[in-house]
Amino acid sequence: GAGVSQTPSNKVTEKGKYVELRCDPISGHTALYWYRQSLGQGPEFLIYFQGTGAADDSGLPNDRFFAVRPEGSVSTLKIQRTERGDSAVYLCASSLFPGQGSTDTQYFGPGTRLTVL
Amino acid sequence: AQSVTQPDIHITVSEGASLELRCNYSYGATPYLFWYVQSPGQGLQLLLKYFSGDTLVQGIKGFEAEFKRSQSSFNLRKPSVHWSDAAEYFCAVGDGANDYKLSFGAGTTVTVRA
Repeated sequence: GAGVSQTPSNKVTEKGKYVELRCDPISGHTALYWYRQSLGQGPEFLIYFQGTGAADDSGLPNDRFFAVRPEGSVSTLKIQRTERGDSAVYLCASSLFPGQGSTDTQYFGPGTRLTVL
Repeated sequence: AQSVTQPDIHITVSEGASLELRCNYSYGATPYLFWYVQSPGQGLQLLLKYFSGDTLVQGIKGFEAEFKRSQSSFNLRKPSVHWSDAAEYFCAVGDGANDYKLSFGAGTTVTVRA
């Protein structure tokens, strides 16, 4: 079956612009996660959705970052007034059971590489 | 908060040789531990995971990992490496209270030489 998909695969923008990154989770997965991976680092947690609601947004770096999942499926990560430091690969993951530990394997998409000039 | 250390940034191994990647974690209770592999242009793929029970965990692609509580380690091993194993490997830990929130190490890049 289809895995997690993310669009675009690459996004180049200018400092100060607004960007939207899209994530299509695996069909039927109720939990969705966003991570950010900076060069030479492992992914860092940003936000976690259970269904339509953001259950934990403690990883969002500041109020320029926002994510939505209005129908409990596709999610959009939105970044306002982009800065050069936002350049990274943004990863999306989904899982079948939200926060159930042993049964909750996160499946990752290929990521969106964001470059802010 | 939990954290993960992968001491080796880069490892080069000959094809057919054995491979061991180190992972140390910091967490008070029994952690949930994972190994993921990331190939260029690919998403992170789960190799194996440990939650409880047998401390030697078998995964996909011939990988295994051993949880050692006394050493706070979860090292990944493969007896005989194939050229296709060249990739970046990440160890991750999820804590019991917020097990969805994975903390990743910085990764180890594996190069396989012929």
